[in-house]
Amino acid sequence: TQLLEQSPQFLSIQEGENLTVYCNSSSVFSSLQWYRQEPGEGPVLLVTVVTGGEVKKLKRLTFQFGDARKDSSLHITAAQPGDTGLYLCAGVHNYGQNFVFGPGTRLSVLP
Amino acid sequence: DTGVSQDPRHKITKRGQNVTFRCDPISEHNRLYWYRQTLGQGPEFLTYFQNEAQLEKSRLLSDRFSAERPKGSFSTLEIQRTEQGDSAMYLCASSLDSGANVLTFGAGSRLTVL
Repeated sequence: TQLLEQSPQFLSIQEGENLTVYCNSSSVFSSLQWYRQEPGEGPVLLVTVVTGGEVKKLKRLTFQFGDARKDSSLHITAAQPGDTGLYLCAGVHNYGQNFVFGPGTRLSVLP
Repeated sequence: DTGVSQDPRHKITKRGQNVTFRCDPISEHNRLYWYRQTLGQGPEFLTYFQNEAQLEKSRLLSDRFSAERPKGSFSTLEIQRTEQGDSAMYLCASSLDSGANVLTFGAGSRLTVL
């Protein structure tokens, strides 16, 4: 059972374009994290969001946690080839329990 | 600190053989997680430890899989009588028991079962 869904599954854009990827669930999460993974490596944490409606910015990346804490989005402004990778969202229902990962959005930014 | 280390990085084995993976977490991290990731998918939770105690196991962890963390430091994941469907990347992550609970992943151990 896939508790977290991500869309789109694949995204290929030109350098300089903006994009948004989504993470959705029917479950409420106490916190949600976004990771980026490159081929042959483990995921690397980008951000953690905890409060419903929270917005966090990390340079050209903007993360939003839905008011009901069931969904999240990641917006990238002026994408660069270095942004290429697999973007994963992960949620935890309660403190101390395991993280559930979505299937990821594979982003390719072409120069 | 060198981060989370996993060994070996790659393992090719024949069906029916046993394999063991090792994970060395960040030294002060008391939580350790094992995940499995297949091509095009996100990591699937297998099990996690708090110190030496194995607190949760996924249904994905069949009887052929066993994980240990005997001294609360490094962990091993053993797969007995491997099957072709076991081919995947096995990821280890560690975290500090705190409100943030941020996972730091290793680079993974890629298993290919022929």
